Amino acid sequence: GEDVEQSLFLSVREGDSSVINCTYTDSSSTYLYWYKQEPGAGLQLLTYIFSNMDMKQDQRLTVLLNKKDKHLSLRIADTQTGDSAIYFCAESSSSASKIIFGSGTRLSIRP
Amino acid sequence: EAGVTQFPSHSVIEKGQTVTLRCDPISGHDNLYWYRRVMGKEIKFLLHFVKESKQDESGMPNNRFLAERTGGTYSTLKVQPAELEDSGVYFCASSSGTSLSYEQYFGPGTRLTVT
Repeated sequence: GEDVEQSLFLSVREGDSSVINCTYTDSSSTYLYWYKQEPGAGLQLLTYIFSNMDMKQDQRLTVLLNKKDKHLSLRIADTQTGDSAIYFCAESSSSASKIIFGSGTRLSIRP
Repeated sequence: EAGVTQFPSHSVIEKGQTVTLRCDPISGHDNLYWYRRVMGKEIKFLLHFVKESKQDESGMPNNRFLAERTGGTYSTLKVQPAELEDSGVYFCASSSGTSLSYEQYFGPGTRLTVT
């Protein structure tokens, strides 16, 4: 069945870049997402990429997709304390279907 | 525009009791989804409504869970009787349902604790 895997924890120094990696199994994935959950808050869609794209950049965020290896990454440049959150990698096969999530990566920032 | 709202934000019940969670989607959104995250694991899909009809309920864990969306507006998710393993955070999401709408907007979640 569909599966999304990501590491559970990442700690980076403030000002450095954070790279969160994810792998997925569903070859029919059309949309790949990164969601952010801050403490006590709901899920916020950070960015998404279509499966026919290799890269997407949006300000400090860069998403890289290796469709052959089914590998997705999120790079956050110049990581700030406000970036502390849980980041969920996710995929869906269409815009209206269910989203398959990973377990989330907790990003912590050290001074 | 108001976002997706969920009530209550937190519920603590004893094993064997009944709990009903409510979700109010963004006005005009035909698609409504329920997900849950149990014990820090992945967020798992439960079911998907299109208006008042269940489009996909493949993620519902068992018959102790009953979801309704009468009138195609808000939805309720009832757990009866609740078990310890039902503890977790239940998220609701909605989307407009157009072919260009990729985004499901999530509510803040209901944290359910079964003791």
